Amino acid sequence: GAGVSQTPSNKVTEKGKYVELRCDPISGHTALYWYRQSLGQGPEFLIYFQGTGAADDSGLPNDRFFAVRPEGSVSTLKIQRTERGDSAVYLCASSLAGPNNEQFFGPGTRLTVL
Amino acid sequence: GENVEQHPSTLSVQEGDSAVIKCTYSDSASNYFPWYKQELGKGPQLIIDIRSNVGEKKDQRIAVTLNKTAKHFSLHITETQPEDSAVYFCADRGSQGNLIFGKGTKLSVKP
Repeated sequence: GAGVSQTPSNKVTEKGKYVELRCDPISGHTALYWYRQSLGQGPEFLIYFQGTGAADDSGLPNDRFFAVRPEGSVSTLKIQRTERGDSAVYLCASSLAGPNNEQFFGPGTRLTVL
Repeated sequence: GENVEQHPSTLSVQEGDSAVIKCTYSDSASNYFPWYKQELGKGPQLIIDIRSNVGEKKDQRIAVTLNKTAKHFSLHITETQPEDSAVYFCADRGSQGNLIFGKGTKLSVKP
């Protein structure tokens, strides 16, 4: 079946611009996670949705980062006033409800801020 | 906060040899430890996991061991093949289910 998909696969933007990254989770998965992976590092947690609500946004680095999931399926990660340090691969993962289920990752969006 | 240490950062083995990657964690309440494999340009993929109520789990050529007293767990790959070459991540799980990853081990299997 279809896995987690993310669009775009690559995004190049200029410092100061606004970007949106999209995640389509596996159908029926109510839990959705965003992670950020810098070069040579493991993924770092950003935000967790259970259904439509952000259950934990403690990983968001600052208020330039925001994410939504209005209908409990597709999620969008939004970054305002991008900085060069925001360059990374942004990964999305989904799972069945509850913290004990396997997380399935998408291929990621590689963001480059020039 | 919770921390996961992983080593080595790189590992090179000959095809057919075994590979071992080790991780330590800091939260004694942790109870779930997955291992992910990440190939170039792809997202991480779960290869095996272990829960705190068991000390070892095997799946064909892959095994994971857990020592809760010492707070460390290890991945063992036997009879390595070139297609095992990838970056491997261990992880712990936070209270909301978010994964806390180690920094990764780049495994190279030489034919």
